[in-house]
Amino acid sequence: AQTVTQSQPEMSVQEAETVTLSCTYDTSESDYYLFWYKQPPSRQMILVIRQEAYKQQNATENRFSVNFQKAAKSFSLKISDSQLGDAAMYFCAYYNAGNNRKLIWGLGTSLAVNP
Amino acid sequence: DTAVSQTPKYLVTQMGNDKSIKCEQNLGHDTMYWYKQDSKKFLKIMFSYNNKELIINETVPNRFSPKSPDKAHLNLHINSLELGDSAVYFCASSPIGREQYFGPGTRLTVT
Repeated sequence: AQTVTQSQPEMSVQEAETVTLSCTYDTSESDYYLFWYKQPPSRQMILVIRQEAYKQQNATENRFSVNFQKAAKSFSLKISDSQLGDAAMYFCAYYNAGNNRKLIWGLGTSLAVNP
Repeated sequence: DTAVSQTPKYLVTQMGNDKSIKCEQNLGHDTMYWYKQDSKKFLKIMFSYNNKELIINETVPNRFSPKSPDKAHLNLHINSLELGDSAVYFCASSPIGREQYFGPGTRLTVT
């Protein structure tokens, strides 16, 4: 069965610094998608970034980028120039079409940004 | 323009009551979902519908019943509410094979 592991329940970063959140997953599939979602205190779930497994290039969205290591089954999120508004829970998720269109979720990492 | 909307955003009710949460999406997506997020922030899939057809039905008490009148709507009805049902309930939608878009959540408190 596919699983997603976020090994860091809590992390903190100084404003303007860079932080990396880790995510590993387990699958025997070769075609899948990976996502990072952000959930700020407002509780809205916001899609941060998406990576297709067949793409070798790492996805980037402004200050957010990923380090996708397919062989190692690793999908870390890097936040550059951290801002106070980045403080949130971050969830890593895996999707494969053969999984009944179900996302497999990690347990989340709570990120604090210190001024 | 709200993409995925849920009503109500907050719901406080007593044990034993029956309540419904409504969800609508205007994104034209084929698939909709209901999730439960507990106090530890764990997201648990409950149900999923594709074009009004139930495709995911996780181990959920049968007091919970989803209803999809059309592919833009997926409502959740809960009978005989219990204290343990207190949580945030999220509706989401997605096009086939892609990311999910979430509603704002409904915080249910059962007293």
